[in-house]
Parts: sequence; structure tokens; C-alpha cells
Amino acid sequence: EIVMTQSPATLSVSPGERATLSCRASQSVSNKLAWYQHKPGQAPRLLIYAASARAAGIPARFSGSGSGTEFTLTISSLQSEDFAVYYCQQYDHWPPYTFGQGTKLEIK
Amino acid sequence: QVQLVESGGGVVQPGKSLRLSCAASGFTFSSYAMHWVRQAPGKGLEWVALISWDGTNTFYADSVKGRFTISRDISRSTLYLQLNSLRPEDTGVYFCAKDLSYGYFDYWAQGALVSVSS
Repeated sequence: EIVMTQSPATLSVSPGERATLSCRASQSVSNKLAWYQHKPGQAPRLLIYAASARAAGIPARFSGSGSGTEFTLTISSLQSEDFAVYYCQQYDHWPPYTFGQGTKLEIK
Repeated sequence: QVQLVESGGGVVQPGKSLRLSCAASGFTFSSYAMHWVRQAPGKGLEWVALISWDGTNTFYADSVKGRFTISRDISRSTLYLQLNSLRPEDTGVYFCAKDLSYGYFDYWAQGALVSVSS
């Protein structure tokens, strides 16, 4: 089973600033990596797939990069609606599909 | 637009059963694989099960294998998860999700709460 590790667990950033979230896989997952945004009481939302492709309707301030075992989600200028928990997920070696433990992005 | 609406959550005693339903609309249900993903209280997301577009193939997380069954009714555009022999550690919010390319989940439901407690 591929283990996904996200860092940091919590990230405090001011609105308008840049946020950088990291995700590491225990072995290579090529570019088969997705990012999701999840707010309490809501459905998770797909942001990025194939490591760097933005999903439909996702603002350009969200970008993904990386391949192999190291991945990054960058939010270039944080808006109030961006404060949430973010998960990475690998889909190269399945089953099982595996998620990171999440990074909580909070307002500084 | 794509909609996934769940029903069937609730409180159940350990060892009992429950069935979750997920009604799909806004896309050709019979063309896409579907998943169940859960979130225990205060924890992250955990993939639970996958069913192929035609229902002929199913896959499960080791933690639920032999106890949970995923199925689909194409005529009703509905996905199901039968939860048997429930344990307290099965408590959480269960999400159904639409698959894209046997990999990632492009649409999710809002979630159904399952609480296993005596």
C-alpha cells in the first residue's frame, strides 16, 4: 500500500499571501496524483488531477506540481473561501486508493 | 449538472447492518465507475470500495472486505453500500463519489453519517 504523507499538518497564512502544501508518496506514483479541498459539512471538491491539471471551474490561483514521490499544491493569493482542509490522493497503485492525512489551511 | 444524493445513514448497534444509497443524476450513470469514501470523526479520508461501470468488478479496502458490499442499479441510477457486521470503528461520514479514469473522484456527495454504538 502506498503511504501518502502531507506537510505541514496545519498551515497559518494571511489572506492575499501564498500557501504551499506538500505531499510525499512512499514510492513513485508517476503523475497519478490528485488534490481535493474539503470544508466541514460539505462534499470534497476536486482541485487538481494528474499532478498539475486543474479541474473544471477551479480558479487559476490553484496550481499543482511534482512527479514521482514529491508533489506540491500552491495557492498563489489566498482568498477567504480557500481556508479548508486539503488532501492529496494517489491513483497509480490501487487498490487501495490512498489519501494523505490532510493539511488544514487556517487564517493567520 | 451532476448531483449525488445519499440516504440511509443512521445510528446502529455493533454487529448490525445498514444500507446506504446514492442517487445519481446529471450524467450517464452506466458509463462511470463509482466509489465510496469515508471519514471517521476527526480523521482524514479513507477509500472504502469501487465498482466498475458495469458492476462486474468490485474492489474493497482490507478494513471492510467481507463485511461491506458495493453494488449499483443502472435502471435507478443508484449506487449502494451494504454495511454488515458493523463495528464502532466504522463510525463516520460516508461519501459516494464519481470516478474519472479509474483514478480520481470528480464529483462527491455531501455525505451520510453512520454511527455504530451500543
